[in-house]
Amino acid sequence: SAVISQKPSRDICQRGTSLTIQCQVDSQVTMMFWYRQQPGQSLTLIATANQGSEATYESGFVIDKFPISRPNLTFSTLTVSNMSPEDSSIYLCSVVLSSGRIYNEQFFGPGTRLTVL
Amino acid sequence: GIQVEQSPPDLILQEGANSTLRCNFSDSVNNLQWFHQNPWGQLINLFYIPSGTKQNGRLSATTVATERYSLLYISSSQTTDSGVYFCAVGYSSASKIIFGSGTRLSIRP
Repeated sequence: SAVISQKPSRDICQRGTSLTIQCQVDSQVTMMFWYRQQPGQSLTLIATANQGSEATYESGFVIDKFPISRPNLTFSTLTVSNMSPEDSSIYLCSVVLSSGRIYNEQFFGPGTRLTVL
Repeated sequence: GIQVEQSPPDLILQEGANSTLRCNFSDSVNNLQWFHQNPWGQLINLFYIPSGTKQNGRLSATTVATERYSLLYISSSQTTDSGVYFCAVGYSSASKIIFGSGTRLSIRP
């Protein structure tokens, strides 16, 4: 597996502001994803973070609200823009390791717990 | 799209009991993973098991791909087994996975 870190681990923000979450992996990975977990719910995929190109968003998620960057094979950011209390969730990044490992097993970072007031 | 259903939604057991959690999925899959989300929110990989049977200590899992279900067995439960257990399946070459709604397990001392 890989060591995946996220910053910040938690934050409390005011409505209307934006927060950028970082995901760092200790080795190069083929794929990175961002998920949202609303309180008491399961995980929902927001987007696939593509290295060097625009992210691929799932239905119901748009780039203006959740801009994503992935400048290299070990790092990605997710921004939650113009936040409202409904954005209060845990945000998690996940990775699929490069060749030599089980092809598409996903490993998750520790998550960022966001509260919007 | 593919549907993933987990049962039971909630399970309360005494320490030392055994349990079976089920995951049903509606289409062929190329990935099936079981996760444990501990009370601090961390997702822990338990099994990568698109087919067959695997065991790891007190935990084991079986996936019958032709019948579209997977089972997670926990034996001799401990309080540290408490948390939410998620099944997630993948069905495309894009490596994306879809999560079930989870089973919340509470082990009482």
